[in-house]
Amino acid sequence: QVQLQESGPGLVKPSETLSLTCTVSGGSMISYSWSWIRQPPGKGLEWIGYISYSGSTNYNPSFKSRLTISIDTSKNQFSLRLSSVTTTDTAVYYCARGGGVHEIWGQGTTVTVSS
Amino acid sequence: IVLTQSPGTLSLSPGERATLSCRASQSVSSSYLGWYQQKPGQAPRLLIYGASSRATGIPDRFSGSGSGTDFTLTISRLEPEDFAVYYCQQYGSSPRTFGQGTKVEIK
Repeated sequence: QVQLQESGPGLVKPSETLSLTCTVSGGSMISYSWSWIRQPPGKGLEWIGYISYSGSTNYNPSFKSRLTISIDTSKNQFSLRLSSVTTTDTAVYYCARGGGVHEIWGQGTTVTVSS
Repeated sequence: IVLTQSPGTLSLSPGERATLSCRASQSVSSSYLGWYQQKPGQAPRLLIYGASSRATGIPDRFSGSGSGTDFTLTISRLEPEDFAVYYCQQYGSSPRTFGQGTKVEIK
């Protein structure tokens, strides 16, 4: 069965760039889009954006100027880069399969923005 | 599209029926509306997609209905494992958006 696993630093300094990778195992990335979603502590879910297997992207305008999502199908990975982070970017970051509804999610990784 | 879920908290006993509402600020295209369940420390779990289709492995006590701007998730008889937070999500237009969640707690 397909599984997703997020990885990356758990602590990022303000004004720096947050970088996360999601590794897909147990299946192909082909024919699917791949998403990032986050959840600030004690709050609800926020859609960040997605990338198709061919590399086209769809970003939440709230992040557009700071956000890059990329994909490497040869490694079965896709990545998130969020620049100029502030403390409001502190959250659990999830990767998920699908550009619309998400049936498969990673377990999530906590990223804290703090000096 | 802004999704507003009500109530914020639902206090019920096991065996009771739960009715959760999700109202959209504008019509959701093609009923592209999903429902998720989230328990503490866990990723969300897809329950319903396309407003009324159950995801793989979801028990039939969960049902979804609605169209346009008004959607409902019904849990026919609450089991102990159903006490959690529930989110609706629209994926008919960008940006995708989630409701703020409804917490179903044990009365």
